[in-house]
Amino acid sequence: AQSVTQLGSHVSVSEGALVLLRCNYSSSVPPYLFWYVQYPNQGLQLLLKYTTGATLVKGINGFEAEFKKSETSFHLTKPSAHMSDAAEYFCAVINTGGFKTIFGAGTRLFVKA
Amino acid sequence: EAGVAQSPRYKIIEKRQSVAFWCNPISGHATLYWYQQILGQGPKLLIQFQNNGVVDDSQLPKDRFSAERLKGVDSTLKIQPAKLEDSAVYLCASSPRDSEDTQYFGPGTRLTVL
Repeated sequence: AQSVTQLGSHVSVSEGALVLLRCNYSSSVPPYLFWYVQYPNQGLQLLLKYTTGATLVKGINGFEAEFKKSETSFHLTKPSAHMSDAAEYFCAVINTGGFKTIFGAGTRLFVKA
Repeated sequence: EAGVAQSPRYKIIEKRQSVAFWCNPISGHATLYWYQQILGQGPKLLIQFQNNGVVDDSQLPKDRFSAERLKGVDSTLKIQPAKLEDSAVYLCASSPRDSEDTQYFGPGTRLTVL
């Protein structure tokens, strides 16, 4: 069965510092992987996704993630945090050819001035 | 392009009452999803439609929850009767073809059951 684990329910960084949000998944077949962001009182918005091909995926707002099959990881990074990045971030997985999207529990990012 | 619309945005009911939520997906999107997001957790898929048909409803509590998607467009999700543990945000999303596509989410309906 698929599952997603996001390490750290809360992450706090200073403005300008590196953002690293961790995601590990389990899947019996090659997965599709997603990162979504949720701002307060809004729905989720796609940041980036990995399907096939290049393992380093670039998304919106300067975020990127790298698919590492050997580590079953898909960590999200951004070189320099902005105050506007404060939000909740969700990692998600589906099996290729599958139907159900499984979301992690989410990581809330706080950005300190 | 208009996004996914949901109504109402907020609903407060007492336990054992009934409630219904409405979702209008992005025009032309074949797949529609209903998720339940309990405070502090990630969204959990309740039901997924592709056009008129149900693709997955394995996590839908069918004794009290029902959903329909008439004519393959908008959808309603109903809870009857509601329990305290149903307090959550109910998110609707749509995608152009299937779940391998990007999902576009509505703002959600926050349900409080007292």
